[in-house]
Amino acid sequence: DAEITQSPRHKITETGRQVTLACHQTWNHNNMFWYRQDLGHGLRLIHYSYGVQDTNKGEVSDGYSVSRSNTEDLPLTLESAASSQTSVYFCASSKDRNYGYTFGSGTRLTVV
Amino acid sequence: RKEVEQDPGPFNVPEGATVAFNCTYSNSASQSFFWYRQDCRKEPKLLMSVYSSGNEDGRFTAQLNRASQYISLLIRDSKLSDSATYLCVVNLKGGGTSYGKLTFGQGTILTVHP
Repeated sequence: DAEITQSPRHKITETGRQVTLACHQTWNHNNMFWYRQDLGHGLRLIHYSYGVQDTNKGEVSDGYSVSRSNTEDLPLTLESAASSQTSVYFCASSKDRNYGYTFGSGTRLTVV
Repeated sequence: RKEVEQDPGPFNVPEGATVAFNCTYSNSASQSFFWYRQDCRKEPKLLMSVYSSGNEDGRFTAQLNRASQYISLLIRDSKLSDSATYLCVVNLKGGGTSYGKLTFGQGTILTVHP
């Protein structure tokens, strides 16, 4: 069955380190998204992509980057991890811009 | 003003009760509307889309009022398993990169008790 997977499920890292969170989907969806979820803020969009080589900034993109070299993957990189980036990160994909998203199961990141 | 606003609750209702959640959105260009459900420490999952004419899926009924920029979700005959956070979600219309991004409300917490 087609799916969307995130790895790792849990990650603890130190301040200042570079961290990459993986997102892989097998639906061949063009549209992929990264959100973070924090208490009191709900889901906030970090970056998104509408196709290979396309990337766009969301509302909380500072300190994060993405690249889209193929349809299946949209890795999220924290250039220099900060404690404020401790959060749960969700990747999502959608078939069409009119459709809802399907989310991965999330990565819980702790920056110490 | 937030783009999507929901009453955070929590709503505590007994099994069998009917409960309604409301949501308002600020951008009149919003085109698509959804309700998502999120269980504790899990990913959000699509519950149902919301259509202009209103739509029903079993015990769940969604309504849209474009003039008032208002969306609702009604749950009838609540079950213990309905306990979750319900997220109101809108999708902007338009060209370019504004289109296709879902904006999420902060969610309404529902607890159904025996």
